[in-house]
Amino acid sequence: GENVEQHPSTLSVQEGDSAVIKCTYSDSASNYFPWYKQELGKRPQLIIDIRSNVGEKKDQRIAVTLNKTAKHFSLHITETQPEDSAVYFCAASQTGANNLFFGTGTRLTVIP
Amino acid sequence: NAGVTQTPKFQVLKTGQSMTLQCAQDMNHEYMSWYRQDPGMGLRLIHYSVGAGITDQGEVPNGYNVSRSTTEDFPLRLLSAAPSQTSVYFCASSYSKTGGVDTEAFFGQGTRLTVV
Repeated sequence: GENVEQHPSTLSVQEGDSAVIKCTYSDSASNYFPWYKQELGKRPQLIIDIRSNVGEKKDQRIAVTLNKTAKHFSLHITETQPEDSAVYFCAASQTGANNLFFGTGTRLTVIP
Repeated sequence: NAGVTQTPKFQVLKTGQSMTLQCAQDMNHEYMSWYRQDPGMGLRLIHYSVGAGITDQGEVPNGYNVSRSTTEDFPLRLLSAAPSQTSVYFCASSYSKTGGVDTEAFFGQGTRLTVV
């Protein structure tokens, strides 16, 4: 099956700085790569996703890049704000939004 | 439009007891899944369903049963609870359109289960 590795496990940045979280996956058949944000005690919520026919996708302060050859994808958050503090999960799937394989999460802390 | 609704939110079981975690969605989604979330391990797929009457196993299916008699409901049954099943359980649904592009997976609010 798919194996998704995520780094770092914790990340602290000053408000206004950028944050980068990286994930690698093992199954070359995977074609859908979402990122979820989970606040304490809440459900995971999709913040951005990318499919294998696209190399980069941007949504305001958030961007995701995908390198299919190297089998890795990254989340970039610019101009971080305290409300960005949460746990972020990457995931991979070869069946779209179904049957997701998750990374182990990154706890992001934005220091005001 | 409530999205994905899970009940109960919290549950404490004794070892060996059985129970059913309920999940319902009102978005007419074809796909429904159950995940468990343990500290430091992300979310892992337990069982999933691609439509009414069809279910299959995920990464960690042992000790759990599912059925899908309607499009809306996808209950998860713990047959004989064990302390190792202490976890937070999330149900998710998404729309799978043959030949098309899937929507995102929507998650329920979670059920925190403790087995003592």
